[in-house]
Amino acid sequence: DAGVIQSPRHEVTEMGQEVTLRCKPISGHNSLFWYRQTMMRGLELLIYFNNNVPIDDSGMPEDRFSAKMPNASFSTLKIQPSEPRDSAVYFCASSYDRTDTQYFGPGTRLTVL
Amino acid sequence: AQSVSQHNHHVILSEAASLELGCNYSYGGTVNLFWYVQYPGQHLQLLLKYFSGDPLVKGIKGFEAEFIKSKFSFNLRKPSVQWSDTAEYFCAVNGGGADGLTFGKGTHLIIQP
Repeated sequence: DAGVIQSPRHEVTEMGQEVTLRCKPISGHNSLFWYRQTMMRGLELLIYFNNNVPIDDSGMPEDRFSAKMPNASFSTLKIQPSEPRDSAVYFCASSYDRTDTQYFGPGTRLTVL
Repeated sequence: AQSVSQHNHHVILSEAASLELGCNYSYGGTVNLFWYVQYPGQHLQLLLKYFSGDPLVKGIKGFEAEFIKSKFSFNLRKPSVQWSDTAEYFCAVNGGGADGLTFGKGTHLIIQP
């Protein structure tokens, strides 16, 4: 299996622009998670999907952030408009269920200028 | 809410030294416990996990961890570290009503040759 796939690996954009991060989970996994990693706050859960349905989005920082999972093999995290404080590494992870081992993708390093 | 504390933010050791990284969590109910490692420039990889059974669990690359329920602890150990163990180590907990993993702030381990 190729593992969790994320794209792009690096994204540099200007403040105010829309950013879309993409994730392909491991085939057969029913749970998908988006995390954000910053120096100040460490790793934080943004949103959790189960069977393509968003279950817990309490970690999404504000309305500028949105996430979708149109099918079992694809999810997006969108930031619109982006701000410099959104600069971070965004990880996608998947697992068979909510409590099982999560496998992480390589992350997307986002820089907002 | 669940919280995870890692006591050492930066650790510097010489090769062949013994390692112990502390981890404590706050939730007193049933939890699943994990240690992840992040090598420089790479994504999070699972070192080991505890779900139930023998509280002493062995992981990859000679690492082990001991779950002590009475102390809410899950400390990571390795009897003899190598230069290649230089990385960031994260303790994580699943449970306490949280949908995703709750991570500690991480420990940056540097092994000097």
